Amino acid sequence: GENVEQHPSTLSVQEGDSAVIKCTYSDSASNYFPWYKQELGKRPQLIIDIRSNVGEKKDQRIAVTLNKTAKHFSLHITETQPEDSAVYFCAASKEGAGGTSYGKLTFGQGTILTVHP
Amino acid sequence: KAGVTQTPRYLIKTRGQQVTLSCSPISGHRSVSWYQQTPGQGLQFLFEYFSETQRNKGNFPGRFSGRQFSNSRSEMNVSTLELGDSALYLCASSSLLAVQFFGPGTRLTVL
Repeated sequence: GENVEQHPSTLSVQEGDSAVIKCTYSDSASNYFPWYKQELGKRPQLIIDIRSNVGEKKDQRIAVTLNKTAKHFSLHITETQPEDSAVYFCAASKEGAGGTSYGKLTFGQGTILTVHP
Repeated sequence: KAGVTQTPRYLIKTRGQQVTLSCSPISGHRSVSWYQQTPGQGLQFLFEYFSETQRNKGNFPGRFSGRQFSNSRSEMNVSTLELGDSALYLCASSSLLAVQFFGPGTRLTVL
């Protein structure tokens, strides 16, 4: 089955710096890659996602890049703020033809991001 | 639209008991997936239901089961609880696409 590796496990940055989290996946059939942010005691919240027909996607200070050949994707956060501190999870899934979801996300182990003021 | 809701939010059980958790998806979403979150194993997929049918299953023992009703609400059941079943159980709902929205979770503690 699918396996997703995520690095680093912890990341500490100063406010205003950039943060990069990297994930690799094993199943070349995976074609949907979301990123979730989970604050302490809260539910995982989808922050950005990318499908395999796109190489990069950006939403304000957050961007995701995908390299299908190397089977890795990365989350980039620019101008970090203390409220960005949380655990970030990458995941991989298969989305079928016509948009049918297979309903199974395989998650990386998570990255604890700490942004120091 | 209201988000995904889960009940109860907290549960304390003893070994050997069974437990039933409930999940109400976002209105119009027909797929409900369940995940177990623990500090050691992270987020692990349990199973997914779509239109009252189990469509996907993770690598959990048969003590973990689920079902989905005609209104898309889902329940999961864990029988013969073990200490290692202590975890946050999250459900997520989605429409036709793979995008999943999570509920707040049920924190299960097994004593």
